[in-house]
Amino acid sequence: QKEVEQNSGPLSVPEGAIASLNCTYSDRGSQSFFWYRQYSGKSPELIMSIYSNGDKEDGRFTAQLNKASQYVSLLIRDSQPSDSATYLCAVNGDNTNAGKSTFGDGTTLTVKP
Amino acid sequence: DGGITQSPKYLFRKEGQNVTLSCEQNLNHDAMYWYRQDPGQGLRLIYYSQIVNDFQKGDIAEGYSVSREKKESFPLTVTSAQKNPTAFYLCASSIAKSYNEQFFGPGTRLTVL
Repeated sequence: QKEVEQNSGPLSVPEGAIASLNCTYSDRGSQSFFWYRQYSGKSPELIMSIYSNGDKEDGRFTAQLNKASQYVSLLIRDSQPSDSATYLCAVNGDNTNAGKSTFGDGTTLTVKP
Repeated sequence: DGGITQSPKYLFRKEGQNVTLSCEQNLNHDAMYWYRQDPGQGLRLIYYSQIVNDFQKGDIAEGYSVSREKKESFPLTVTSAQKNPTAFYLCASSIAKSYNEQFFGPGTRLTVL
């Protein structure tokens, strides 16, 4: 079992719809959770970070964390064609290994006009 | 402008050659990281460093070496012992170990001829 698992995708949504991206992790001691966006051929860009249970909103993006279920998600409201990219979920280690992040393989999102 | 720079953008290596990838940051970040990304896959950690003159192996350190003589610089050497080095190499940095929001450079694409 991988340490961080994401929907394999690809995920396709129409413009204006809500895109939902999911991620599960195996290390129950994980402290920090991140979503990165990566356009084809480019490097990842941090878009959301979340550290406590619940929702965190930033513009059209909402990150949701449920530590009991070891689950983190990213919702993109009013999806735009410019949101088409691969989204990487990253999980930071517990207190003994906090310097190390583990990444999922990513979910590719296509937003169709 | 603050940021992370990587050079070169593209690099070609002959069999049996060692090559060094450069990574420089002027963000005053303590921690720096090297990742490898293969097509359609997530990021795999090669090495990371939390402080000058100290670094730790990641998940796939074999065939690679690093140094951290200055806070701003974290070069990666891909040695001839790395049998399949063709990949996209990404350098990242973060301000503090406990939060670990990582910021990425533009990457170096290495191809073995």
